[in-house]
Amino acid sequence: IAGITQAPTSQILAAGRRMTLRCTQDMRHNAMYWYRQDLGLGLRLIHYSNTAGTTGKGEVPDGYSVSRANTDDFPLTLASAVPSQTSVYFCASSAGTGESGTQYFGPGTRLTVL
Amino acid sequence: GQNIDQPTEMTATEGAIVQINCTYQTSGFNGLFWYQQHAGEAPTFLSYNVLDGLEEKGRFSSFLSRSKGYSYLLLKELQMKDSASYLCAVRDSNYQLIWGAGTKLIIKP
Repeated sequence: IAGITQAPTSQILAAGRRMTLRCTQDMRHNAMYWYRQDLGLGLRLIHYSNTAGTTGKGEVPDGYSVSRANTDDFPLTLASAVPSQTSVYFCASSAGTGESGTQYFGPGTRLTVL
Repeated sequence: GQNIDQPTEMTATEGAIVQINCTYQTSGFNGLFWYQQHAGEAPTFLSYNVLDGLEEKGRFSSFLSRSKGYSYLLLKELQMKDSASYLCAVRDSNYQLIWGAGTKLIIKP
């Protein structure tokens, strides 16, 4: 693989169910991010990780959790999904600061919570 | 609070030039990014500005004025494939990206 992959591509989920969105990168980037994108709004940061073993909260972290056990993987878990979590979720990664801090995005997961 | 403003939608003609503006108010500044996003796809990186002035990359150029909190993306010789949303993002003092809502660019033949 080259770049960032996300799974699943799309998912319809019943409210109250638990769901993990997967994200894997092969660029050996230190930093990884999870965003949600809703119509009419900018990308909003959910959680981030500056390096393996560390995570931080973004702008909209409630209802979501993440882990970063290694450099490549950064899963996002919805413990008990609610309809307001219906969105497109993008995972991204970056190498460092300056222009090398450019974030590169996975293809996204379209999630519908009913 | 932090804020990025860009027009919601713009229309231009194939072969023409279009300028997409972005104004920002953020806590700190560590660079400004422009991304392109086609419908149903992920954002892809276009340009990065950290110093005042113009950066040119082929048909695309990006300008930054830090004192005015202002940037623009200039697209020349427009092609139909340029129809997309263009996202402006500023990296703040915490090195996190603050995103505008994006400008949907419609290209007409």
